[in-house]
Amino acid sequence: GAGVSQSPSNKVTEKGKDVELRCDPISGHTALYWYRQSLGQGLEFLIYFQGNSAPDKSGLPSDRFSAERTGGSVSTLTIQRTQQEDSAVYLCASMSSGGRVNEQFFGPGTRLTVL
Amino acid sequence: AQSVTQLGSHVSVSEGALVLLRCNYSSSVPPYLFWYVQYPNQGLQLLLKYTTGATLVKGINGFEAEFKKSETSFHLTKPSAHMSDAAEYFCAVSGSGGGADGLTFGKGTHLIIQP
Repeated sequence: GAGVSQSPSNKVTEKGKDVELRCDPISGHTALYWYRQSLGQGLEFLIYFQGNSAPDKSGLPSDRFSAERTGGSVSTLTIQRTQQEDSAVYLCASMSSGGRVNEQFFGPGTRLTVL
Repeated sequence: AQSVTQLGSHVSVSEGALVLLRCNYSSSVPPYLFWYVQYPNQGLQLLLKYTTGATLVKGINGFEAEFKKSETSFHLTKPSAHMSDAAEYFCAVSGSGGGADGLTFGKGTHLIIQP
């Protein structure tokens, strides 16, 4: 596609349920990022993929969060046993090269509401 | 480690007036600096970036920013505000250049344009 796409755009779930958020980066972009945007914390960097590899997972908020990327393209962010504090907008971004400073292109985000 | 401080969570200007959004950063390595804009229910769009070279950077929609190392600042300006400029603006810093550390964002400044 022309830009980064994310699905679903909105997700409402009950506390304790698992959710899976999807990101489709711009074709050919090797770098992919997940961020979380919440009222209390602003924009937080969660994780970075170069190809299918995530060298540093320390930005994930807790061990209930996991992310994977397959085929150097689509990425999924999974939150297990969701809590109300997980409510936020989850943004994905992709970049054309992991070796240079370049522009990160952001998707529209997934708004997660945990009841 | 890096951090970004944006002075003023809300800034209000009259249409046609100068826009000045302040950003100060902290970085232990030469910084790469960015300004992003976010319209309601949309992802982030890059306005401009500073990597190396000329310290006055011009971006889209008539915005520009000046990197001042001595003041650790990267303020965003536009000579004449337009109603369409009303949005949330984020200053961000990256230290690695290679993108592996993601972007560290400020808390954002909501720009209000008065008719």
